[in-house]
This record gives sequence, C-alpha cells and structure tokens, in this order.
Amino acid sequence: EDQVTQSPEALRLQEGESSSLNCSYTVSGLRGLFWYRQDPGKGPEFLFTLYSAGEEKEKERLKATLTKKESFLHITAPKPEDSATYLCAVQGTSGGSYIPTFGRGTSLIVHP
Amino acid sequence: NAGVTQTPKFQVLKTGQSMTLQCAQDMNHEYMSWYRQDPGMGLRLIHYSVGAGITDQGEVPNGYNVSRSTTEDFPLRLLSAAPSQTSVYFCASSGREEHEQFFGPGTRLTVL
Repeated sequence: EDQVTQSPEALRLQEGESSSLNCSYTVSGLRGLFWYRQDPGKGPEFLFTLYSAGEEKEKERLKATLTKKESFLHITAPKPEDSATYLCAVQGTSGGSYIPTFGRGTSLIVHP
Repeated sequence: NAGVTQTPKFQVLKTGQSMTLQCAQDMNHEYMSWYRQDPGMGLRLIHYSVGAGITDQGEVPNGYNVSRSTTEDFPLRLLSAAPSQTSVYFCASSGREEHEQFFGPGTRLTVL
C-alpha cells in the first residue's frame, strides 16, 4: 500500500524567508510523485511531476526535488501570494495502482 | 477547454435524501476519480474509473455509487445521505500516460 506523509502540517513564514516542505513516501515502485497547490475554496492545481531520484523541477519561486524516500518543495523568498496548502501525492507501479495516493498537505502562510 | 466541471457548487440535503453530483471533463482523459476532503483528513478516494464502463472502489466507497457510461461524464450518487457525508467533494481526471490529475472546483455538501 502506497503511503505519503507530509510535514510540517502548518508553516508560517515572513515574506522573503525561504524554507522547505517535506513529503516522505513508501511505494513498491515509483511511477510518479506529484505536487499540487490548493487555494481555499478551490480544487488542487497541478505543479510538478517527478519520476526518479535526483530529478528536480522549478517554477518561479518553487523547486521540487526527489530522493528514493522523500521529496522536498523548496520555496525561495516567498511572497504572500504563495500562501496555500501544498499537497504531495505518489503513484506506485503495483498492479491496480491507477490513482495517486495523497498526503494530508502542508498549510503555508506567508506574512507580508 | 473547460477542463473539469462539477455541479452543483453547493448543496444542502436532509438525512435520507438522495442526490447526484455531476462531473464532466473535455480533455478525453481515460481516468476519472472522486475524492472527499475533510479538515485534517486530506483527500480520500471514494471511487475511480479507468475508462467507460469500468469503475472500482477507493478508500471510502460506502454510501456512494458511480457509473461511467461515457468518457466525459462520471457522476457520483448518494443513495441515502447521512450527516457523515458532509464534506467537500472533488472530481479529477487524468490521462493514461501522464498521471497528473486535473481537478474540478468542488461541491460543498451539507447533510442535516
């Protein structure tokens, strides 16, 4: 069974204060690890897919990295508009694993 | 492209009433899924489909039915609503080869 644990549950930062969110996972074989952003009252919005250890992807102030056991979402010099809940999901390669398993998310608040 | 659409946006039911939450996508995606999101619980998979005519249960299927007669539509039926089904429901779709999911805007359901 695929499992995903995200930490911390909540994170408060000052504008410009860089930090990282963690996603630890266990899968029988990794088909993909996904990061999403969710704003209050809206559906999750896709950010990145990572497929293999060592892979990195960037988008504006966000950078996602992947090892064999965890992924980090690095936020560099965050702005208040980066405030959201960030969700991590993994999809394994075991039979019948068609839909990713989600973690509970990290709620990020960036103060001006 | 409208992406993934869900109706209604809000719904209030009385215990024992039935209703159908509608979900449609115009991206020709083969995979579709229904989640419920509750505070502190993250996204929990209710049912999913890997193609027209094929559905399967997720983590929390009790009290819900689905069908997939077309590629585009994936309705979720509550047969006899219970207060425990008060939640926000999200529909999502993804392609067979690239598994990042596209989410609808959600339906906020309250069962009294």
